[in-house]
Amino acid sequence: QKEVEQDPGPLSVPEGAIVSLNCTYSNSAFQYFMWYRQYSRKGPELLMYTYSSGNKEDGRFTAQVDKSSKYISLFIRDSQPSDSATYLCAMVAGGGNKLTFGTGTQLKVEL
Amino acid sequence: GAVVSQHPSRVICKSGTSVKIECRSLDFQATTMFWYRQFPKQSLMLMATSNEGSKATYEQGVEKDKFLINHASLTLSTLTVTSAHPEDSSFYICSARVLAGARGNTIYFGEGSWLTVV
Repeated sequence: QKEVEQDPGPLSVPEGAIVSLNCTYSNSAFQYFMWYRQYSRKGPELLMYTYSSGNKEDGRFTAQVDKSSKYISLFIRDSQPSDSATYLCAMVAGGGNKLTFGTGTQLKVEL
Repeated sequence: GAVVSQHPSRVICKSGTSVKIECRSLDFQATTMFWYRQFPKQSLMLMATSNEGSKATYEQGVEKDKFLINHASLTLSTLTVTSAHPEDSSFYICSARVLAGARGNTIYFGEGSWLTVV
């Protein structure tokens, strides 16, 4: 079993839809949770960074962490074609250095 | 704007030559940087952890003599692919960890470097 599970997709939605991306994890030592967006042939771009359970909002993006269920989500409201990319969840153990990634979910937002 | 800069973004080299890729943290000091490799449609594969002032820590299966890492300052780490061969062609990405401040424990990535060995 992988430490971080993420549905690879592809996920296709119409423009304006609310997108829900999810990851589950098994290591309770993970304390810091990040979502990255990666466009084709580019480095990952940090979208959201969270530490505690609960919701964190930034513009059209909302990150949700449920440590009791070991489940994290990223919601994208009013999705745009420019949101089409691969979304990677990543997490770090407290006191640790290394990121553990999900496999990434490929999202396509269609006109 | 970018907080981690990587250079060059694209390089083509001849088989047998060496190539150096630079990774710089632009507005923070990074005692730890990471080097990844990514194949098409796959997730990032951690190659090594670069520690300022000390030897890099390589992941299992990564040849340290092939992929030389130098982290000479708090804002610069370099990856040198020595005696490159076509199978080394890949997308190489660095990242750096912010230790302190409002962005503490955040990890930012560079824009990546495409290496093609011909």
